[in-house]
Amino acid sequence: AQKVTQAQTEISVVEKEDVTLDCVYETRDTTYYLFWYKQPPSGELVFLIRRNSFDEQNEISGRYSWNFQKSTSSFNFTITASQVVDSAVYFCAFDRGSTLGRLYFGRGTQLTVWP
Amino acid sequence: DGGITQSPKYLFRKEGQNVTLSCEQNLNHDAMYWYRQDPGQGLRLIYYSQIVNDFQKGDIAEGYSVSREKKESFPLTVTSAQKNPTAFYLCASSSYRTGGPNQPQHFGDGTRLSIL
Repeated sequence: AQKVTQAQTEISVVEKEDVTLDCVYETRDTTYYLFWYKQPPSGELVFLIRRNSFDEQNEISGRYSWNFQKSTSSFNFTITASQVVDSAVYFCAFDRGSTLGRLYFGRGTQLTVWP
Repeated sequence: DGGITQSPKYLFRKEGQNVTLSCEQNLNHDAMYWYRQDPGQGLRLIYYSQIVNDFQKGDIAEGYSVSREKKESFPLTVTSAQKNPTAFYLCASSSYRTGGPNQPQHFGDGTRLSIL
């Protein structure tokens, strides 16, 4: 069975600090896809990034960066120089890629950035 | 603008009552999904549909029903059999069927359902 674990339930930082959100997944599949979504207080989920299992290159987008390591089954997300607007719940999700496009979500990490 | 519209934003259900949550998309996506979110639980899949007139149960389908008569619409009915319906419900869509499994899901703003 597929499983996504986000061990950090809540994280609080002060503005301008760097913060890393952890995501660990379990699967026996060789082809799969990983996603990060942001859920601001308004409630809708906003897509941030996707990664397939064959692409282990790290990615940077502005203040956001992602570290994908198959050896440790991890797909961690780092926000550099955090801002108050980064406060949200962040979800890591897994897609088996084999059928039907359904996602398996972690329980989410509530990030609070204080001014 | 293209997107997903969920209505109503807030909904109250009386004991023994069925209620229907609306989800409409104008993204021309074939696939649509319903999730339930409880505090600290993440998102759990209720039902999903890959094509009109076809849908599959997710992990927590008991007490819920859906229909997919039109590509744009995927309403969710919370029946009286669902004994603990209080939650935040999110609808999503994707172009998975045509674009492949790495297509992200696009989400609506959600409906918050409470029991009176």
